[in-house]
Amino acid sequence: QKEVEQNSGPLSVPEGAIASLNCTYSDRGSQSFFWYRQYSGKSPELIMFIYSNGDKEDGRFTAQLNKASQYVSLLIRDSQPSDSATYLCAVRGDGAGNNRKLIWGLGTSLAVNP
Amino acid sequence: SAVISQKPSRDICQRGTSLTIQCQVDSQVTMMFWYRQQPGQSLTLIATANQGSEATYESGFVIDKFPISRPNLTFSTLTVSNMSPEDSSIYLCSVVASGDEQFFGPGTRLTVL
Repeated sequence: QKEVEQNSGPLSVPEGAIASLNCTYSDRGSQSFFWYRQYSGKSPELIMFIYSNGDKEDGRFTAQLNKASQYVSLLIRDSQPSDSATYLCAVRGDGAGNNRKLIWGLGTSLAVNP
Repeated sequence: SAVISQKPSRDICQRGTSLTIQCQVDSQVTMMFWYRQQPGQSLTLIATANQGSEATYESGFVIDKFPISRPNLTFSTLTVSNMSPEDSSIYLCSVVASGDEQFFGPGTRLTVL
């Protein structure tokens, strides 16, 4: 059974701080890694994806991937109250058919306090 | 990214009835999926909608309960049949376009009384 695990939170950080969200996965053959943000009552929104080991930066967001340790993280710099949401980690395997579907974590709730 | 619309955005239905949800994309996509998300929960994949053939259902979901059509590369429907209150949920259409990224429609909020 392929699994993706996240701390459910809530993770609470003060405004302006760095929020660090972590995700581990069980399938060593996983190739693609995604972070989605979901506001209450809204659908998930893709904010970052990463395929290679290392860091990938986009504005205030940095995704970090370590395939050897099977974890992927999301850093949010200069956190704002508008970043308060649930962050979902999703992982896609290699190959065809069912191996291409996304495996989802349960999400981490982030609260940024003014 | 693809622009995805779903109809209806919400509905309240009586038990025993059926509801068909439509998903329309503004461009051709390679893959289309249907998810369910119950309050406070993460996403559960119902099925992969295959163009021109039967959908591929996940464990716990069957075609008689959730028939799916995908007549072309931009449109799909999900029917929730013989509804019960346990079917109350948000139903989400999701697509993979030309790249590897997956995008979601706005969702359909279903309440079954």
